[in-house]
Amino acid sequence: KAGVTQTPRYLIKTRGQQVTLSCSPISGHRSVSWYQQTPGQGLQFLFEYFSETQRNKGNFPGRFSGRQFSNSRSEMNVSTLELGDSALYLCASSTQATNEKLFFGSGTQLSVL
Amino acid sequence: QQQVKQSPQSLIVQKGGISIINCAYENTAFDYFPWYQQFPGKGPALLIAIRPDVSEKKEGRFTISFNKSAKQFSLHIMDSQPGDSATYFCAASRSAGKSTFGDGTTLTVKP
Repeated sequence: KAGVTQTPRYLIKTRGQQVTLSCSPISGHRSVSWYQQTPGQGLQFLFEYFSETQRNKGNFPGRFSGRQFSNSRSEMNVSTLELGDSALYLCASSTQATNEKLFFGSGTQLSVL
Repeated sequence: QQQVKQSPQSLIVQKGGISIINCAYENTAFDYFPWYQQFPGKGPALLIAIRPDVSEKKEGRFTISFNKSAKQFSLHIMDSQPGDSATYFCAASRSAGKSTFGDGTTLTVKP
């Protein structure tokens, strides 16, 4: 069974631009969560989608948005990029409605210049 | 407000020694406490997890100790090996809720 796939692996953008990150969960997994990982802040929860509906949301500004498609694939969008958005963005999928055991992808490393 | 506090930030252990990482939580509604292991260039991977109805869970060289009254749990790595060198994250969650992570511990096992 293929793992969680995130694309692209690396991304370089400039301030003010927008970016879309993609996540394909493990086949059969209906829950997809997004996390931002930075050296100083650890893993910060962005949002979680379950069956195309946003079920949980973290404390990030509205510039961060996401969606989930009927095949459970998910995208995350960041508009008007800021230098502080530079981070590793991790996607995790879960087979359970309880969203406990998370299976992470390798992440997208975003650098904002 | 940080709901899961993890310590130490970094840890150096000799090969064959015991590595101990501690976490404390605040929300008594949490009912699932996993530990994740992350190697450079990879996403975190679930290592072991415990629920609050048991005080200890062991899987191979990895053991979680859980103290519900103190709202603390810890990861013990017995006979630590250089291959265990990684960043370890504790987490806590409740059913259908988000997982809240500690800030991570970088473990280095010296040969």
